[in-house]
Amino acid sequence: SQKIEQNSEALNIQEGKTATLTCNYTNYSPAYLQWYRQDPGRGPVFLLLIRENEKEKRKERLKVTFDTTLKQSLFHITASQPADSATYLCALSGYSTLTFGKGTMLLVSP
Amino acid sequence: NAGVTQTPKFQVLKTGQSMTLQCAQDMNHNSMYWYRQDPGMGLRLIYYSASEGTTDKGEVPNGYNVSRLNKREFSLRLESAAPSQTSVYFCASRILAVGALSSYEQYFGPGTRLTVT
Repeated sequence: SQKIEQNSEALNIQEGKTATLTCNYTNYSPAYLQWYRQDPGRGPVFLLLIRENEKEKRKERLKVTFDTTLKQSLFHITASQPADSATYLCALSGYSTLTFGKGTMLLVSP
Repeated sequence: NAGVTQTPKFQVLKTGQSMTLQCAQDMNHNSMYWYRQDPGMGLRLIYYSASEGTTDKGEVPNGYNVSRLNKREFSLRLESAAPSQTSVYFCASRILAVGALSSYEQYFGPGTRLTVT
């Protein structure tokens, strides 16, 4: 069966450092991979989408890589800020639906 | 634009009671989704409607029914609530446009926190 793995342990980093979150998957060949941010008590918010034929995508301080051979995506936040503290969800795209990972909590301390 | 709205925000039910969760979007999106989110389980798809007039089961459909009332509205019904249905429920929507990259992005509502005692 399809499986998506994200670090279940929270990632604690200091302000100004680069945060790197990992998403690994098995038994799946997604055409697209997406990353969402979720704050406590709120719905997820879309951040970035990367296609299977793209190696890297950037948006402001965010960077996503997608390695279909390793079946892995890395999500980077550079120059992290306390406001970046949230849970980040990886999601694999089928044509009609998304399958989400369980998310990784990021805590950025001043 | 309000985006995706959900009602109610909170609900407490007794086992065996029924209720309907309402979802509406004002973005003219074709597809709508219902998810549940439980601690340690992540977001799981209950049902979805790829377009008006169609509905399909997701990963965890048992105990639920859905109605795509029109293009804007998609409701989720619990006929006989069970404690295992205690969860946070999210509705989402997206455009379905062949070839458009941005059509894969989903927009989520604020959620309904449901407790079944």
